[in-house]
Amino acid sequence: DTAVSQTPKYLVTQMGNDKSIKCEQNLGHDTMYWYKQDSKKFLKIMFSYNNKELIINETVPNRFSPKSPDKAHLNLHINSLELGDSAVYFCASGTRDRTEAFFGQGTRLTVV
Amino acid sequence: EDKVVQSPLSLVVHEGDTVTLNCSYEVTNFRSLLWYKQEKKAPTFLFMLTSSGIEKKSGRLSSILDKKELFSILNITATQTGDSAIYLCAVEGGNYGQNFVFGPGTRLSVLP
Repeated sequence: DTAVSQTPKYLVTQMGNDKSIKCEQNLGHDTMYWYKQDSKKFLKIMFSYNNKELIINETVPNRFSPKSPDKAHLNLHINSLELGDSAVYFCASGTRDRTEAFFGQGTRLTVV
Repeated sequence: EDKVVQSPLSLVVHEGDTVTLNCSYEVTNFRSLLWYKQEKKAPTFLFMLTSSGIEKKSGRLSSILDKKELFSILNITATQTGDSAIYLCAVEGGNYGQNFVFGPGTRLSVLP
């Protein structure tokens, strides 16, 4: 009965590969997010989806693309992975006014 | 199962009050505990704690970790309306830091 679940939990892959991280929420929220945690533990928002509409895209390279098949899912696709993409990626869901967010457990991506 | 519990879940105070937010955790191979402030934007990193008994301070905010009793507190003195937010506690654990668990957050409302 996990509220926000991400898979896989960790991922090791080679440069140049294409990979996806899945996220599902069962909270009935209308908005989902992807964050990247940098080496200093700062969380940077990457995408926000509301009712299947992308409403935020914070200067993320176009190698990253969110895909939302329905309101409960927001998957992150990454093409041509680079070393600098290594990080922990968090999915979250919440309300439209963004006063709260429920986080998944994170996916640790390592690009070698 | 790794988990993070925060209390109280909601708190209403007046400007000038001092508040203490609590975070208790259970995690395998603890690595660090982090505090974030969640407003209408990406969560803002506040503190990362790895050692017991060492208080970290930033202005009116301070935090301390007790690894024996498995908890941390976040203190805010002389609260201001701008402190109104959700405060998230997260714990990093696992052999490779692959486990990252967020608590439910404490919603703090500071009234003028």
